[in-house]
Amino acid sequence: DGGITQSPKYLFRKEGQNVTLSCEQNLNHDAMYWYRQDPGQGLRLIYYSQIVNDFQKGDIAEGYSVSREKKESFPLTVTSAQKNPTAFYLCASSKQNLASGNTIYFGEGSWLTVV
Amino acid sequence: QKEVEQNSGPLSVPEGAIASLNCTYSDRGSQSFFWYRQYSGKSPELIMSIYSNGDKEDGRFTAQLNKASQYVSLLIRDSQPSDSATYLCAVPSGGYNKLIFGAGTRLAVHP
Repeated sequence: DGGITQSPKYLFRKEGQNVTLSCEQNLNHDAMYWYRQDPGQGLRLIYYSQIVNDFQKGDIAEGYSVSREKKESFPLTVTSAQKNPTAFYLCASSKQNLASGNTIYFGEGSWLTVV
Repeated sequence: QKEVEQNSGPLSVPEGAIASLNCTYSDRGSQSFFWYRQYSGKSPELIMSIYSNGDKEDGRFTAQLNKASQYVSLLIRDSQPSDSATYLCAVPSGGYNKLIFGAGTRLAVHP
């Protein structure tokens, strides 16, 4: 089945630890995105990538890093510099140019909790 | 001013009524608009998109766009308890390379 796969679904991070969230898509989409959602809040953009080997910071990139070595994959690393990482993380993908009737589709999300 | 604004709610409607959800946006050049539904603990799913002024209907859902007033709304007819969710409005930004979301409106449909 075509879709976006995020793993793990639940993850616990200790203080000072880096963790990486995986996102893989088989929709042949060029663009990929990472959003963060805090309880009762909207979605905030962390990073996005339009093509392989290129990505841009979103509104809340501090404390996060990404890579885009393959079209299908866009992993997100939550570093120890992110002081309040507990949240629901959503990966998404789309064809390029959102003004041309394209929109983004989401994976099932990953819950990250600091312990 | 936030790029996309929605009332957080909750909006409470009785079963069978029409639920009306509103969204305003700041970029006058915006050409496309999206409504997503998000159930608690789940990821958002696309329910409607609209590009032209006026109304677009899809089953019980109607999206309304007024570019002059910079607002887009979503009407849900014959509301069902299963419609209880948070509804997110989204607008492309940054040269249409990213999607910006409103904070969402929580809808509660009571029997």
